[in-house]
Amino acid sequence: EIVMTQSPATVSVSPGGRATLSCRASQTVSGDLAWYQQRPGLGPRLLIYGTSTRATGIPARFSGSESGSEFTLTISSLQSEDFAVYYCQQYHKWPPSFGGGTRVEIK
Amino acid sequence: EVQLVQSGAQVKTPGESLRISCKGSGYKFATFWIAWVRQMPGKGLEFMGIIYPGDSDTRYSPSFEGQVTISADKSISTAYLQWSSLKASDTAMYYCARGVGPIYDFDFWGQGTLVTVSS
Repeated sequence: EIVMTQSPATVSVSPGGRATLSCRASQTVSGDLAWYQQRPGLGPRLLIYGTSTRATGIPARFSGSESGSEFTLTISSLQSEDFAVYYCQQYHKWPPSFGGGTRVEIK
Repeated sequence: EVQLVQSGAQVKTPGESLRISCKGSGYKFATFWIAWVRQMPGKGLEFMGIIYPGDSDTRYSPSFEGQVTISADKSISTAYLQWSSLKASDTAMYYCARGVGPIYDFDFWGQGTLVTVSS
């Protein structure tokens, strides 16, 4: 199973600030990487798929990228509704697997 | 509008059986995969398995093979996750989610079903 490692576990950001979340895979995932947002008490919501493609209805302040074997989710100009937990997921190899999550909290 | 609506919270004792459900609407249910994902209290997401309702092709993550059974009834657009003998360690929130393929991202999610197993 491909192990997905997210860092940091928690990041503190001021409203209007920028958050950078990282996700690393134990093997190559060839760009088959998605990001999800989970707000308290709710189910996950797809933000990004294919490393960098925003899902329908996702604001442009969310962006995904890859450099080497590290994937990054950047949230620019954080809004109140963006304070949540974010998960990455690889879907390159069976079984699909998730990272442990990064909590974005208000500074 | 695509929706996945899950059955309500359950409280069970160890050794009991349970089946929870996920009803899809707003799309052709039989032509998309439905996955089940576990979230233990305060923890992250774990992929359990997935089913294609069109032909009931079912695949399990090795960690969950033999521990649960996934099924679907396309005639009523509903997928199921069941246990034959619950353990306290099955206490978790369970989500269903839609995928285009068996190894894919999940574009729509249910609201979750909380299963509590306690003596």
